[in-house]
Amino acid sequence: DVKVTQSSRYLVKRTGEKVFLECVQDMDHENMFWYRQDPGLGLRLIYFSYDVKMKEKGDIPEGYSVSREKKERFSLILESASTNQTSMYLCASWALSNQPQHFGDGTRLSIL
Amino acid sequence: GDSVTQMEGPVTLSEEAFLTINCTYTATGYPSLFWYVQYPGEGLQLLLKATKADDKGSNKGFEATYRKETTSFHLEKGSVQVSDSAVYFCALRMNSGYSTLTFGKGTMLLVSP
Repeated sequence: DVKVTQSSRYLVKRTGEKVFLECVQDMDHENMFWYRQDPGLGLRLIYFSYDVKMKEKGDIPEGYSVSREKKERFSLILESASTNQTSMYLCASWALSNQPQHFGDGTRLSIL
Repeated sequence: GDSVTQMEGPVTLSEEAFLTINCTYTATGYPSLFWYVQYPGEGLQLLLKATKADDKGSNKGFEATYRKETTSFHLEKGSVQVSDSAVYFCALRMNSGYSTLTFGKGTMLLVSP
């Protein structure tokens, strides 16, 4: 089974901090994604990557950046955390466009 | 742009009741359609999918049929269980290039004994 692992289930940070959310997948997938999930808004795509060192903006990239130095790892970076970035963050990966995405269990991030 | 609309929840049912969660989509081409389920405290899991018109996806007693004429992909189950309580997401993906998933806002299902 594909395993997508997010480094933290719960995280509390302060406004202005630089925050790193890590995601690792074990199936050699080319494509990786970061979403945020908010009540009433569903899942919104922040960034995605279709290869090492490649990245593409999703629907809501403002305030975020990403890093993909190795194929298995995709990091989401909050450059200067703000309270409106309090949310559930979900990482996903997939191999080919006709295959389903596999999701991690999410990181619930609170910015105080 | 592409979009997915699904009925707002929560949907509250008694065990063994019939379930329908409506989903309609807007897309410029012919997408693949998906239902994902999120159990409490977990990430999303693929429930079922359909890749072309008139396809029926099914899994764990759930079914959905890709209806091009009504641009719909409604989720149904004949007899729900308490363990089906979760949030259900309808999604689409265009079958070209580096496409991504577009999700609906999710529908919470609560099943009581």
